[in-house]
Amino acid sequence: KAGVTQTPRYLIKTRGQQVTLSCSPISGHRSVSWYQQTPGQGLQFLFEYFSETQRNKGNFPGRFSGRQFSNSRSEMNVSTLELGDSALYLCASSLSSAGGTEAFFGQGTRLTVV
Amino acid sequence: AQTVTQSQPEMSVQEAETVTLSCTYDTSESDYYLFWYKQPPSRQMILVIRQEAYKQQNATENRFSVNFQKAAKSFSLKISDSQLGDAAMYFCAYRRTYSGGGADGLTFGKGTHLIIQP
Repeated sequence: KAGVTQTPRYLIKTRGQQVTLSCSPISGHRSVSWYQQTPGQGLQFLFEYFSETQRNKGNFPGRFSGRQFSNSRSEMNVSTLELGDSALYLCASSLSSAGGTEAFFGQGTRLTVV
Repeated sequence: AQTVTQSQPEMSVQEAETVTLSCTYDTSESDYYLFWYKQPPSRQMILVIRQEAYKQQNATENRFSVNFQKAAKSFSLKISDSQLGDAAMYFCAYRRTYSGGGADGLTFGKGTHLIIQP
């Protein structure tokens, strides 16, 4: 069974640009969550999608957005990139959005903003 | 807001020995799950163990067990017979759940870097 696939693995963007990251969940999983990992702030929850609907959102500015498609694949978009957006972005998929459900993580997309 | 605190930035243990990683959390909620995740150098987070707040019995997964003290809001991870493959960052995480079946996103601690000495 294929795991969670995130593309691209590495990305370099210029301040002010926008970027789209992609996440393909494990087959059959309907919940996809996104997290930002930085050395200073650690791991922070961005948002969760379940059956194409955003279920939860973390405390991030509106420049961060996401969506989920009917095949459960998800994308997150960051507009007007800032230097502080440089981070490892992790995607996690689960069978459901229930609290105890195991989240399976991808290897992340390393975004560098210059 | 819920917070998760891991007071040990780094721990070192001899191979085959036992090590305990500490985690405390702060919440006023009664329905939640607690997790320990492992992040090896590959950066892929892996679930080690989970505990539902309502269950008094401590969770165990092979060499990994937890000491869940709900009143003290403490959730420590014990790794027995440490192996070289256990070397990684370990993150404690909290997730509030709702009676309707939904849940918040995971709230993570800052992590503990575990070093295994051969």
